[in-house]
Amino acid sequence: DGGITQSPKYLFRKEGQNVTLSCEQNLNHDAMYWYRQDPGQGLRLIYYSQIVNDFQKGDIAEGYSVSREKKESFPLTVTSAQKNPTAFYLCASSIWANTGELFFGEGSRLTVL
Amino acid sequence: DQQVKQNSPSLSVQEGRISILNCDYTNSMFDYFLWYKKYPAEGPTFLISISSIKDKNEDGRFTVFLNKSAKHLSLHIVPSQPGDSAVYFCAAILDQGAQKLVFGQGTRLTINP
Repeated sequence: DGGITQSPKYLFRKEGQNVTLSCEQNLNHDAMYWYRQDPGQGLRLIYYSQIVNDFQKGDIAEGYSVSREKKESFPLTVTSAQKNPTAFYLCASSIWANTGELFFGEGSRLTVL
Repeated sequence: DQQVKQNSPSLSVQEGRISILNCDYTNSMFDYFLWYKKYPAEGPTFLISISSIKDKNEDGRFTVFLNKSAKHLSLHIVPSQPGDSAVYFCAAILDQGAQKLVFGQGTRLTINP
């Protein structure tokens, strides 16, 4: 079945450590996105990528990094520079220049101890 | 600066009755609006959308209404069913070439038997 796979689903990290969240899609979508969800807030865009080897900062990119070496994969690294990394992270994909319908993965919950 | 606002964090409705979820926006340049539904620990799923050139779009039990003069969007679910219990996010997009959706904070809908 086509879809988006995020891993791990739950992740614990000590302060000062970098951690990488995986996102893989087999929908053949051009565009991929990373969002962050905090309680009582909407989804906020971290990074997005329209094509391979290109990505753009979203609204809250500080403390995060991404890569897009393959069309299917868009990993997100949460670095030690991110001041408040505990959150629910969502990866999504879409056909570029469509009407905004995104396909989301099931999310990864990161907790910093 | 919250461009898309859902002022009701929660809503409780009896099974079989109508659920009305509301959303306000500030940017008159938004040209497409969407509703997403999210269950706990899962990614959001696209529910229904509407173009700014329309004032109503219907899909089964779900109808979205757009009042551009009031910059107001609403989602009607009738009849409400227990499986509709979820968090609903409205979202808006500025132009179809840029895939940067702006999400509201979400409204938690609970359908009571």
